[in-house]
Amino acid sequence: QKEVEQDPGPLSVPEGAIVSLNCTYSNSAFQYFMWYRQYSRKGPELLMYTYSSGNKEDGRFTAQVDKSSKYISLFIRDSQPSDSATYLCAMTIYNQGGKLIFGQGTELSVKP
Amino acid sequence: DAGVIQSPRHEVTEMGQEVTLRCKPISGHDYLFWYRQTMMRGLELLIYFNNNVPIDDSGMPEDRFSAKMPNASFSTLKIQPSEPRDSAVYFCASSSWGSSTDTQYFGPGTRLTVL
Repeated sequence: QKEVEQDPGPLSVPEGAIVSLNCTYSNSAFQYFMWYRQYSRKGPELLMYTYSSGNKEDGRFTAQVDKSSKYISLFIRDSQPSDSATYLCAMTIYNQGGKLIFGQGTELSVKP
Repeated sequence: DAGVIQSPRHEVTEMGQEVTLRCKPISGHDYLFWYRQTMMRGLELLIYFNNNVPIDDSGMPEDRFSAKMPNASFSTLKIQPSEPRDSAVYFCASSSWGSSTDTQYFGPGTRLTVL
C-alpha cells in the first residue's frame, strides 16, 4: 500500500464548477501538507501549504486537512479553463528535511 | 532569480549509452532533490542532498543510477548503462527547509527517451 493515495482521474468539469480533489495517507507522522499544480510539460509548482487540521483559503482555492481521518482535500471554486492541470498532493515529516511524498496526481480539465 | 535550471531539456539516446542530467539549484538553497516522473509510477524521489551531502538515496532504482553534488551550485544524475525502462521525465528541485520559504522549487525537467 502506498503511503499517499490519490485518485488519478481524469476529472472533467464545466467552467464555473466547484472541484474537489482528495488524498488519503497512512503515515500519522506526516505534519506538513501541500498541493502542487503541474501544467503539461512543466515542473510542479506549489499551490498551497498547510500544517494544521482545518481549512486554509487562498482566493478560489481552499485546502482542508483532517488529521484524524488522514484525509486532505483541495477545493477550487468557480473553476476556470486555466485551472486545467494535474494536481499533486504532497506531505512530509519536519525532521526529514522536506522530503516530500507525493500522491499520483489528479488530471483536471475545465471545459469552457 | 532564474529558478532551478536543468539541462538538457530533452535527451534521446540508445540503450546501453551513458546519460548525464544536470541541475543548478536556486542560490542559497541547501537541499537538492532528484525526482523521476512516469505515467505508471507518478513522481518518485530518487535521492536528496543537504549541503552537498547525500542524505537519502533509497529511491535510486539500481546501481546503474548515481548522483553527485560536487558543490552548492551543481548536481548531476548519471545513468550507465541506460535502458528503455529509464525513459521518463527527471526533475530536480531545491529548497531551504526550515526557513520561511522552505517549499521545494522544481526545475522544468529533462525528458529522457531511451530507444
